Amino acid sequence: DVKVTQSSRYLVKRTGEKVFLECVQDMDHENMFWYRQDPGLGLRLIYFSYDVKMKEKGDIPEGYSVSREKKERFSLILESASTNQTSMYLCASRTNYGYTFGSGTRLTVV
Amino acid sequence: GENVEQHPSTLSVQEGDSAVIKCTYSDSASNYFPWYKQELGKRPQLIIDIRSNVGEKKDQRIAVTLNKTAKHFSLHITETQPEDSAVYFCAASISTNAGKSTFGDGTTLTVKP
Repeated sequence: DVKVTQSSRYLVKRTGEKVFLECVQDMDHENMFWYRQDPGLGLRLIYFSYDVKMKEKGDIPEGYSVSREKKERFSLILESASTNQTSMYLCASRTNYGYTFGSGTRLTVV
Repeated sequence: GENVEQHPSTLSVQEGDSAVIKCTYSDSASNYFPWYKQELGKRPQLIIDIRSNVGEKKDQRIAVTLNKTAKHFSLHITETQPEDSAVYFCAASISTNAGKSTFGDGTTLTVKP
């Protein structure tokens, strides 16, 4: 079974802080994704990566950046956290049969 | 870009009844359509998918149909059980584009015992 691990289940950060969300997959997949999930809005794509050091913007990249220095690790960075970035963040790794998601990080920005 | 609309947003059925969730997509290049189930407090999990060269696919009590001409696809759950209660998401993707998926807004299904 593919395992996608997100380092934190819950995080509370202050406005203006730089925040790192980490995601690791164990199956050598090339494609990894960061989504945020908000009630009534489904899952919205922030950034994705199709290879090491390669990244592309999704539908809502503003206020975020990403890093992929190693194939197994895809990090989401909030350069200066704001309250409207309070959300559930889901990392996913792609197989030939859809995504395997991490368990999510619920981020609260106060 | 791709736009996926999902209906209804909430659905309540009696145990044993059928449930149908419908999605439409806008990009005719989309060729892979997965469905995910997310139970309360858990991650979304793939339950069934269909590719554009197939019109219907079944897996026990769940089935998915695809109408490429009309650009819509549907999830059918028969003989619903309380454990089917969850949020269901449809998605559309182009397999050559890193496989990035565009999701519908989700349907909250409640199965009443």
